Amino acid sequence: EIVLTQSPGTLSLSPGERATLSCRASQSVTNSYLAWYQQKPGQAPRLLIYGASSRASGIPDRFSGSGSGTDFALTISRLEPEDFAVYFCQHYGGSPKYSFGQGTKVEIK
Amino acid sequence: EVQLVESGGGLVQPGRSLRLSCGASGFTFDDYAMHWVRQPPGRGLEWVSGISWSSGDIIYADSVKGRFTTSRENAKNSLYLQMNSLRPEDTALYYCVRRGGTYSFDYWGQGTLVTVSS
Repeated sequence: EIVLTQSPGTLSLSPGERATLSCRASQSVTNSYLAWYQQKPGQAPRLLIYGASSRASGIPDRFSGSGSGTDFALTISRLEPEDFAVYFCQHYGGSPKYSFGQGTKVEIK
Repeated sequence: EVQLVESGGGLVQPGRSLRLSCGASGFTFDDYAMHWVRQPPGRGLEWVSGISWSSGDIIYADSVKGRFTTSRENAKNSLYLQMNSLRPEDTALYYCVRRGGTYSFDYWGQGTLVTVSS
């Protein structure tokens, strides 16, 4: 079973600061199948990054994804007010076929 | 514009059944695999089930295998989740999602809430 562990649980930052979120897999995973989502209160998740580093349609370039093997990261270069939300990583492959990390909340400091 | 609209949620007693539906529009439905993802109140995301475009491949999370059945009707642009033997731990917001080309979920509905309680 592949387990995705996100850290930190909560990230307290100010607008304009850089945010780096971590997603660690319990075993090496395929880069192509690693994605990141943003979820705001009362809304459905939105796809940000797929294939570990490709931005989804309409996603601003301040969002970037990186990593390989077991360690992946989502970076927000300069936080905008609308970026304060919960972020999830997700992987396809292994058992279960699809798995999510537990989420990182980015809150206003 | 891609739209996914879930319906059928509600309050149900443990052990009973419920059928969720998802209506899709704005894309060629039978070109895509479709999935269900759920989120218990205040918690994270859990993948539930997925179905290929042709219904030839259907997969389930271990937590629902044998109790839930996913199906689709391409002629009606609709996805379904038949949930039997419901348990309190099945309480969640159930999202209908479209699977993109790299096994990510590129469009999500707004969800339908299922509450299992006596």
